[in-house]
Formats: sequence, structure tokens, C-alpha cells
Amino acid sequence: DTGVSQNPRHKITKRGQNVTFRCDPISEHNRLYWYRQTLGQGPEFLTYFQNEAQLEKSRLLSDRFSAERPKGSFSTLEIQRTEQGDSAMYLCASSFGLDRGNEQYFGPGTRLTVT
Amino acid sequence: AQRVTQPEKLLSVFKGAPVELKCNYSYSGSPELFWYVQYSRQRLQLLLRHISRESIKGFTADLNKGETSFHLKKPFAQEEDSAMYYCALGGSYIPTFGRGTSLIVHP
Repeated sequence: DTGVSQNPRHKITKRGQNVTFRCDPISEHNRLYWYRQTLGQGPEFLTYFQNEAQLEKSRLLSDRFSAERPKGSFSTLEIQRTEQGDSAMYLCASSFGLDRGNEQYFGPGTRLTVT
Repeated sequence: AQRVTQPEKLLSVFKGAPVELKCNYSYSGSPELFWYVQYSRQRLQLLLRHISRESIKGFTADLNKGETSFHLKKPFAQEEDSAMYYCALGGSYIPTFGRGTSLIVHP
């Protein structure tokens, strides 16, 4: 297990198109988080899963965004009808959860550019 | 609402100088705080968390509930410490990150 992986690493799309990102967490981790990061800012929470259950969603997550984690393993984040404001780095992180201190392990991120 | 404030976008020091990266938080309950670091072309990684009270790579951070602060300190900076540092409020809460401080250590 080489850590959290994300695919693709870069995505360029035209406004109005749909995009989907994938995150493969560390296999023993039951929590999985999605963040968005723009230039000059820290990671901004979007949503998280405890196993396959999506327990929390940020109010920033519009209805164009949807995330899934089937079977509690990998997760996908889909953005429909992309807008230029969606251009950002999308980060995934996983953790054991609160009983192990909830230390988060981050993936390398997917950089989205909407033209 | 919970908030993490890192007042300095950039901190520039010379090798061997002391470093203090400031972090203040706002949260009504009992906080759990972390420092994450991102070296050039690498992913975000945990540096330390307050409950472990460890010293990692010479860095320490003490939670001061009275001042709602969790400043990161190192007595003698090294060039390899140059990186982005993010303070984060986590635990059972929705994780909240500060905007980050870029530390540059000059030779």
C-alpha cells in the first residue's frame, strides 16, 4: 500500500462538461474526506464518509457536486455542468477515525482547470 | 462557527534563527489541533498533533486554551524546513484548515 492515490492528477475540461475524480484511500482506513484548495488558501472541507456512509457535507457543496463511496473502499467525486469557479485542486484524505486520533493521510490531489 | 487563523502568509528567516508560526482558533468546545506541512512537490502530511505532545523534526506546539492558540515553534530553523505549514482544527469536528504560512529559511 503506497498511500492515498488520486486519479487523474490533472483534468482540463470545458465549462458545462461533467468530470469525475477517483480516490483510493489507505485500505485499513474507514474515514475518507474530500477537500478543495484554491491558490493561497488551505484545504476547504467538502464532504466525508465513514465507511460507505456520507456523514457530512459542506454547505459549499452545491447540488452539482456528488460523492460516493460504494462498499466503503474507493470514492468518486463528480462535478456536473462545471463552471470556471470550480477550477481548483481537489484533495482526498483518509484516516482511521477518532479512536486513532483522526490523523489524515492526503493524496496528491487532482488539479481541475475549467476553460 | 469554527475558524482557524494563520495571520502570516509568509515567514522568512535565516538558518539557525528561531521560528514561530502563529495559529489561533475559534471553537466553543474542546479542540483537537494539528499542524500539517507540505514540502515542495509533495503531498500534505501531518507534522504533529497537540494530544501527542511530541517534538517532530525539532518542532513543538503547545495548545493554549486561554489564548486559543496553537503556535508552532522551532528554536533553530534549517533550510529543509522551508515549506507550507497549515494549522488545522479537527477531531470530531468538520476539519478546518488555516490558509497556511509559507516558511522560507535562507542559508
